[in-house]
Amino acid sequence: DAKTTQPPSMDCAEGRAANLPCNHSTISGNEYVYWYRQIHSQGPQYIIHGLKNNETNEMASLIITEDRKSSTLILPHATLRDTAVYYCIVRVNSGGSNYKLTFGKGTLLTVNP
Amino acid sequence: GAVVSQHPSRVICKSGTSVKIECRSLDFQATTMFWYRQFPKQSLMLMATSNEGSKATYEQGVEKDKFLINHASLTLSTLTVTSAHPEDSSFYICSARTELAYNEQFFGPGTRLTVL
Repeated sequence: DAKTTQPPSMDCAEGRAANLPCNHSTISGNEYVYWYRQIHSQGPQYIIHGLKNNETNEMASLIITEDRKSSTLILPHATLRDTAVYYCIVRVNSGGSNYKLTFGKGTLLTVNP
Repeated sequence: GAVVSQHPSRVICKSGTSVKIECRSLDFQATTMFWYRQFPKQSLMLMATSNEGSKATYEQGVEKDKFLINHASLTLSTLTVTSAHPEDSSFYICSARTELAYNEQFFGPGTRLTVL
């Protein structure tokens, strides 16, 4: 799986949009971009994923650049409960044991009141 | 949505004893389950991958005789930490994957193990 690079930490004011960047310059054509987050002392939570097109769900939006070498996760109205470590992972979307989710260090997003 | 549970959520044990952690997929059948370990302020590290009815595949550096994994059914996997030592104290997280949800992976809430 391609390697990802994320800033170690970011701050955001409550109610504002949080934009979390991720670089994945070695991503291959069949690899998806996934985002998970981990609130302190809990298991990771799936947020969103995409291949080429921008995606939006009830939690967030995912913007993938046209060359797919980077992406941005957007939390439109951050709340204090969004304080967590956010992980950007690229992987092939296939079954079996052939793929594993490999977690990097992620970005610690701190939402301030 | 798919729910994965773990039991216990916290466990404290004496050095030299064995501890079993259960991971269950509550509303789906998991074709594959994963066990991760996370030390304080570090990321999740994959320990092993298991498929129902077959032996687990361990990541490099993980002792299979120390971390026994049993995946007896499509909804239950157990991790037994044998002869636990203080350095085994960690946050253990299981994850389950199902083909019915585009092979997405769902995580349990984690188990905090403290070995005295």
